[in-house]
Amino acid sequence: GENVEQHPSTLSVQEGDSAVIKCTYSDSASNYFPWYKQELGKRPQLIIDIRSNVGEKKDQRIAVTLNKTAKHFSLHITETQPEDSAVYFCAASRNQAGTALIFGKGTTLSVSS
Amino acid sequence: GAVVSQHPSWVICKSGTSVKIECRSLDFQATTMFWYRQFPKQSLMLMATSNEGSKATYEQGVEKDKFLINHASLTLSTLTVTSAHPEDSSFYICSATRGGSGTEAFFGQGTRLTVV
Repeated sequence: GENVEQHPSTLSVQEGDSAVIKCTYSDSASNYFPWYKQELGKRPQLIIDIRSNVGEKKDQRIAVTLNKTAKHFSLHITETQPEDSAVYFCAASRNQAGTALIFGKGTTLSVSS
Repeated sequence: GAVVSQHPSWVICKSGTSVKIECRSLDFQATTMFWYRQFPKQSLMLMATSNEGSKATYEQGVEKDKFLINHASLTLSTLTVTSAHPEDSSFYICSATRGGSGTEAFFGQGTRLTVV
């Protein structure tokens, strides 16, 4: 089955700096890669996702890159703000209905002002 | 957007009792729903895949007789934690995907279970 590794487990940056979180996956058939932000006691919120037919996707300060050959994908947050502080999870699945997402272990991002 | 509602949001029960958690897709039909468990400061771990009208598929290490899943309709899946023990205390969260529109997952708000 799929296995998703996520690094780092914690990340501290100064406000305005960039933050990068990296994930690798094991199942070469996986082709859907979402990123979630989760606040304590709340449901995960999708912040950006990417499918295997593209190598990069950007939404304002957030971008995701995908390298299918190396089986890794990364989340990039630019101009970080204190409200970006949260736990971020990457996930992977096959792009078909009825397939579960498998999550990485999460990264706790702290943005200090 | 798609809405998944989970109930209750939190529950406290005594050891040995059973607790039922409901997961409903409010504005779409979900032939498949997923149940995850999340311990404090840990990731979401897939417990089982709930299939409408058939038996659930459990992940390795998850006791099917302890975590009963029923998916009797296209909009409702239930997870019953039977004979609950303190170690079952966790955050349980369900998700569903809409068929034909990719695999974006929609999550319920989660259920905080505390077994005393």
